[in-house]
Amino acid sequence: GAGVSQTPSNKVTEKGKYVELRCDPISGHTALYWYRQSLGQGPEFLIYFQGTGAADDSGLPNDRFFAVRPEGSVSTLKIQRTERGDSAVYLCASKSQPNTEAFFGQGTRLTVV
Amino acid sequence: GQQVMQIPQYQHVQEGEDFTTYCNSSTTLSNIQWYKQRPGGHPVFLIQLVKSGEVKKQKRLTFQFGEAKKNSSLHITATQTTDVGTYFCAGRNYGGATNKLIFGTGTLLAVQP
Repeated sequence: GAGVSQTPSNKVTEKGKYVELRCDPISGHTALYWYRQSLGQGPEFLIYFQGTGAADDSGLPNDRFFAVRPEGSVSTLKIQRTERGDSAVYLCASKSQPNTEAFFGQGTRLTVV
Repeated sequence: GQQVMQIPQYQHVQEGEDFTTYCNSSTTLSNIQWYKQRPGGHPVFLIQLVKSGEVKKQKRLTFQFGEAKKNSSLHITATQTTDVGTYFCAGRNYGGATNKLIFGTGTLLAVQP
């Protein structure tokens, strides 16, 4: 596609529910990042994929968070037993090579009520 | 862990005044990138600096990378209302095992016409 696509753009869920957030990176981009951004703060690193494997998942806050990228393209961020503190904008970014610019999607605004 | 701080957190200027944001990392960086995020938008890449002491210019924007590769600055000359947004620096650890990209805390710029 022309850019990084994230779906849904908005998600409202009840506390305790499971959610999946999808990221479709720019075609051919091997690096894919997930970030979480709360209002007035910078993007907080969650996980980085190089190809199909998670090269660095040190930013995942706890074991309720998990992400996959089975074919090295689309990635899904999965959050189990959501909590109100998980409410934020979840951003996905992709890169063609490690030391190049990151292209961000529009983000998914997650609200846990 | 690695921390990237930016000051000031917020700056309000009159149109035509200059603006500077400073970025400081707790660790030596391999490179530094700068992004701009408009209100309600996603981060958009501005520039990347790689070499110690490097200075780059983009029209009214001047970017510097410190000699020790632990700090950077962005200076905007004669601000315009189109400069409004939050400016983030982002860096990768020098010698880091992965290409994890850590964002700074950001500086929100408001420009009064």
